[in-house]
Amino acid sequence: ELKVEQNPLFLSMQEGKNYTIYCNYSTTSDRLYWYRQDPGKSLESLFVLLSNGAVKQEGRLMASLDTKARLSTLHITAAVHDLSATYFCAVADSFGNEKLTFGTGTRLTIIP
Amino acid sequence: GAGVSQTPSNKVTEKGKYVELRCDPISGHTALYWYRQSLGQGPEFLIYFQGTGAADDSGLPNDRFFAVRPEGSVSTLKIQRTERGDSAVYLCASSLNERGLAGRDTQYFGPGTRLTVL
Repeated sequence: ELKVEQNPLFLSMQEGKNYTIYCNYSTTSDRLYWYRQDPGKSLESLFVLLSNGAVKQEGRLMASLDTKARLSTLHITAAVHDLSATYFCAVADSFGNEKLTFGTGTRLTIIP
Repeated sequence: GAGVSQTPSNKVTEKGKYVELRCDPISGHTALYWYRQSLGQGPEFLIYFQGTGAADDSGLPNDRFFAVRPEGSVSTLKIQRTERGDSAVYLCASSLNERGLAGRDTQYFGPGTRLTVL
């Protein structure tokens, strides 16, 4: 059974600082997604990572994937307040399977 | 364009009652998914449709839960004899699943239906 773990679960950081959220998964997968969720809202797609070594960047967020280590990272550069949200990684559990298994999420709070 | 829509946005019911939750996917999306999210947790997979057929229903917790997608567009999640433990936000997602790109499409989520069973 595929398990997805994120850490930290909670992260409070100051504006302007850098930090990384980690996502580990337990079995081979061909796709990893990062989503953002604001309180009371649905999930917004951020990144899709499809191959080993994939790196995607959008603004102050950068995601990478290491399929050999079964690890993805979401790096935040020079954090700003509007990045405060909960971030989820989600993994497809086998090649060609559409079912996503989500991590428990990282609640990020940016402090002015 | 219009995103995934779900109705109702909130549903309060009593234990033992029957409820139906509706999902309208993005136009043209052939794949549709249902997830359930409890407070403080990540979404949990329930069922996935490709067209009209349920391609994977392994996440449905028991036979009180059933979902249909009769015309390959709108889907309804049906819960019989609701229990307090069914209280959660039910999320629907859809994706464009073109031949040759199977399994490589982002799932776009709707706003969810918050179900409360008293």
